[in-house]
Amino acid sequence: DVKVTQSSRYLVKRTGEKVFLECVQDMDHENMFWYRQDPGLGLRLIYFSYDVKMKEKGDIPEGYSVSREKKERFSLILESASTNQTSMYLCASRVRGHEQYFGPGTRLTVT
Amino acid sequence: DQQVKQNSPSLSVQEGRISILNCDYTNSMFDYFLWYKKYPAEGPTFLISISSIKDKNEDGRFTVFLNKSAKHLSLHIVPSQPGDSAVYFCATAGGTSYGKLTFGQGTILTVHP
Repeated sequence: DVKVTQSSRYLVKRTGEKVFLECVQDMDHENMFWYRQDPGLGLRLIYFSYDVKMKEKGDIPEGYSVSREKKERFSLILESASTNQTSMYLCASRVRGHEQYFGPGTRLTVT
Repeated sequence: DQQVKQNSPSLSVQEGRISILNCDYTNSMFDYFLWYKKYPAEGPTFLISISSIKDKNEDGRFTVFLNKSAKHLSLHIVPSQPGDSAVYFCATAGGTSYGKLTFGQGTILTVHP
């Protein structure tokens, strides 16, 4: 079974803080993705990575950056958290085909 | 520019009846279509998919239909069960590299006992 884990299930941060969200997959998948889920908007792609140290912007990259130093780990960074970044953050990975495997999500609240 | 639309935010169905969830897309380059199911506080899980070379794919109680000319797909669940209550997302792929998916807004399905 593919396993995608995320470092925190719930996180509360203050405006202006730097926030790190970590994602780890155990299946040697090449492609990893970060999404945010908001009611009525579905899942929107923030960034993705197709190999170590390689990254591409998704549909809503503003205010975010990513890091992929090892194949199994993909980090999402909020440089200076803002209240409009309060959301559910979902990490996913993929090796072949179109199916992506998701982690359990991190519910981030920025106050 | 919403390329994938699920126009029904919610659907309520009686147990044992059919649930039909709909999805429309605009980009004719999309050639693979997926449905994901999501429970609260969990990540989405893959449910069923269909390639553009087919118009129907079945897996147990779940059937996905694809109408390419109308750029429309639907998910049928028969018979519906209370455990099917979740948010359902359609997603599309194709025309891009690296396996990017484009998701719809989601439909909340509630199956009443």
